[in-house]
Amino acid sequence: NAGVTQTPKFRVLKTGQSMTLLCAQDMNHEYMYWYRQDPGMGLRLIHYSVGEGTTAKGEVPDGYNVSRLKKQNFLLGLESAAPSQTSVYFCASSPRYGGRETTGELFFGEGSRLTVL
Amino acid sequence: AQSVTQLGSHVSVSEGALVLLRCNYSSSVPPYLFWYVQYPNQGLQLLLKYTTGATLVKGINGFEAEFKKSETSFHLTKPSAHMSDAAEYFCAVSFSGGYNKLIFGAGTRLAVHP
Repeated sequence: NAGVTQTPKFRVLKTGQSMTLLCAQDMNHEYMYWYRQDPGMGLRLIHYSVGEGTTAKGEVPDGYNVSRLKKQNFLLGLESAAPSQTSVYFCASSPRYGGRETTGELFFGEGSRLTVL
Repeated sequence: AQSVTQLGSHVSVSEGALVLLRCNYSSSVPPYLFWYVQYPNQGLQLLLKYTTGATLVKGINGFEAEFKKSETSFHLTKPSAHMSDAAEYFCAVSFSGGYNKLIFGAGTRLAVHP
């Protein structure tokens, strides 16, 4: 039972390089999210998707782009990496709201640690 | 707008002692409240949640939390700490119609010593 899988788990980039983080979920969830985690700041929402073909901006979207061409995949792209994007990135998924039982329960991947030099 | 404040970035307790992790929230609409736990090098997992109904909610691993509307608080407690409870704990808030988007606090790292 894979759940939410993120690749790669570690990556080092030079300033200005581009890369894509891939998130795949096998739970048939409608909603998917990308968060970044920085020390002392908790997790902050970058972008999210409420269904295949849809994306929306979160709290800190600048410098990132996303795509959800297939329901099970959510890609996070950095077009021109900057040192400020050094962080741990978490993908999460959630079923469509179906009442109290499904409210707020996000399923997280194990994270992708990105360093930008 | 919604926000979450966790008091104390680091908490240290002895094994067997009470665990109390504090969380206060700000929300312009009725909130849904959550505690998540993160073990080293892992993602987050849900400990417990409050949506509606009983204000004292019980979660996994013996943790519980009480929603106090008058104090805008949702503190996490456990009567007796175990070494395995050492982790980082995050309080979060969302709201109805928000597509389950969570707003997280900064986190509290719990250390448990013998």
